[in-house]
Amino acid sequence: EPEVTQTPSHQVTQMGQEVILRCVPISNHLYFYWYRQILGQKVEFLVSFYNNEISEKSEIFDDQFSVERPDGSNFTLKIRSTKLEDSAMYFCASSVTFKATPQYFGPGTRLLVL
Amino acid sequence: AQKITQTQPGMFVQEKEAVTLDCTYDTSDPSYGLFWYKQPSSGEMIFLIYQGSYDQQNATEGRYSLNFQKARKSANLVISASQLGDSAMYFCAMREGKQKLVFGQGTRLTINP
Repeated sequence: EPEVTQTPSHQVTQMGQEVILRCVPISNHLYFYWYRQILGQKVEFLVSFYNNEISEKSEIFDDQFSVERPDGSNFTLKIRSTKLEDSAMYFCASSVTFKATPQYFGPGTRLLVL
Repeated sequence: AQKITQTQPGMFVQEKEAVTLDCTYDTSDPSYGLFWYKQPSSGEMIFLIYQGSYDQQNATEGRYSLNFQKARKSANLVISASQLGDSAMYFCAMREGKQKLVFGQGTRLTINP
């Protein structure tokens, strides 16, 4: 069964460093998302992406974040200058459309900023 | 204001019993979708079941069913014949308007042998 994959599974970085989180969405899906979950808290929406552009973003998704689909399969989230409060699990998700279809989540990347 | 409310932070159920996890939502948009996800201790988010606001019948997927009461704005998850492997966090989520999902705080379900 097709699934969303994410790399790396864990990343440790120093405050102020740039990180890139990678995702391969399910191949026939057109909508891509990033969510994050700070330890012990609920999942929060960051951004959605369709047709090579951002279609919706949250207040969390400020100028230090960017997303890109560099080729036909990968979808990346870049954090330019990490802060301690960026430590969280980051989930990539994808869906066929955005209406009556579920968003399928990847296994997540656990990011720790020291 | 909370869009999704899950009032049960934790639940303990005996194996093979049915369990209902509560979820209420708040929206003024007539078109929305409701989702349930399972998060085991390993951390991944597993899609369980979906209910659209215009769906006439309650959604079912194997042992999972969604008790959708539109007038009461509730979308409770029912798990029949619970198994030890059902022990996990369960999140209710709503798609409102565009694409983003708004999640509740989750319910931690523990199945006792």
